[in-house]
Amino acid sequence: NAGVTQTPKFQVLKTGQSMTLQCAQDMNHNSMYWYRQDPGMGLRLIYYSASEGTTDKGEVPNGYNVSRLNKREFSLRLESAAPSQTSVYFCASSLPGHRETQYFGPGTRLLVL
Amino acid sequence: GEDVEQSLFLSVREGDSSVINCTYTDSSSTYLYWYKQEPGAGLQLLTYIFSNMDMKQDQRLTVLLNKKDKHLSLRIADTQTGDSAIYFCAEKGTEGNEKLTFGTGTRLTIIP
Repeated sequence: NAGVTQTPKFQVLKTGQSMTLQCAQDMNHNSMYWYRQDPGMGLRLIYYSASEGTTDKGEVPNGYNVSRLNKREFSLRLESAAPSQTSVYFCASSLPGHRETQYFGPGTRLLVL
Repeated sequence: GEDVEQSLFLSVREGDSSVINCTYTDSSSTYLYWYKQEPGAGLQLLTYIFSNMDMKQDQRLTVLLNKKDKHLSLRIADTQTGDSAIYFCAEKGTEGNEKLTFGTGTRLTIIP
């Protein structure tokens, strides 16, 4: 099993450009999450999806959209990137009832100029 | 909302014990977790504790939970250079979903 995979690993964008961060998991997990990690602020939840076809806002959803394409894939889209979105983005997945343990991808490092 | 707090930095001499502390505000927390993040990598689950437990030991790791004070700690015995990482505390409440609230992370530096 590859676990949780994310693409791309690195990305540089100009202000106003758009891009989609991809995430996939092969563990048959129901729930998937997108976090951003900023120095001194820990991980903040952007959006999550409790099951295929459902998505909900987390703590910091503004400026982002998500799509739960199928059970495996959960994408995060920045429609018009801003420098404040420079961050490291992590995708995670979990299986309900399994102590709610979340499994993380390796992260996408995004720089918005 | 829920809040989880940790110190940002901790330095420990190689071979000593490291103790990383965490406080949380959600009195209805069901599970509490410790995750480890090595440089340039994602988070890996180290250990977890159910809220009705006081202590859990797993090899060099000891987790202590004081539910009255809402205080969680992670003790790493015989700290090694490979333990250098950021350690995140996280808690899960009882909202009926699997959302976790993470602390800011504690960067553990090992002094040779």
